[in-house]
Amino acid sequence: DTGVSQDPRHKITKRGQNVTFRCDPISEHNRLYWYRQTLGQGPEFLTYFQNEAQLEKSRLLSDRFSAERPKGSFSTLEIQRTEQGDSAMYLCASTNPRAEQYFGPGTRLTVT
Amino acid sequence: DQQVKQNSPSLSVQEGRISILNCDYTNSMFDYFLWYKKYPAEGPTFLISISSIKDKNEDGRFTVFLNKSAKHLSLHIVPSQPGDSAVYFCAASASGNQFYFGTGTSLTVIP
Repeated sequence: DTGVSQDPRHKITKRGQNVTFRCDPISEHNRLYWYRQTLGQGPEFLTYFQNEAQLEKSRLLSDRFSAERPKGSFSTLEIQRTEQGDSAMYLCASTNPRAEQYFGPGTRLTVT
Repeated sequence: DQQVKQNSPSLSVQEGRISILNCDYTNSMFDYFLWYKKYPAEGPTFLISISSIKDKNEDGRFTVFLNKSAKHLSLHIVPSQPGDSAVYFCAASASGNQFYFGTGTSLTVIP
């Protein structure tokens, strides 16, 4: 069990650029979640997958945000045309059969 | 719509004493609750969970209590240790789908 990994850990980008983050869940976990966390707040749910199926995406922050999990293993979160308000920590988590979520270290995005 | 609330932003406790962290929720459909600990620059770490069919779950120094009628849960840490100093988040879910988090309580355990 190597835990949930995320790449990159930090990303600095200019406003208007596209960014993509990757998450590798714990291998036996079939549910994968994406969250955003800003300073002083708890993680804010964005979307989740069961295997390759995206079961909820209505809480993605705008149509600039999209996520995929094509083979039911790793997942990517893409933000198009980044804005300064997108600066935050983006967290990924996977869930065991008892619904216990295990988080990765996060990707900190800074949009300049 | 903050469905999970942690009304105490911070808490200080002497080493060896009990730490009690509180959490309130509004959605009566929530049936699964979790507590996480978070250190700076790391993702949250799962601590303990409880389902709505129970009112108490214990794991070592950590005990979670659930009062469904009051829509309230608490995390007790006994005895508190300096390494417990961190931000603690509670989270709630309906049927293990979306998870809603509180804003966190920063615990400081004073040696």
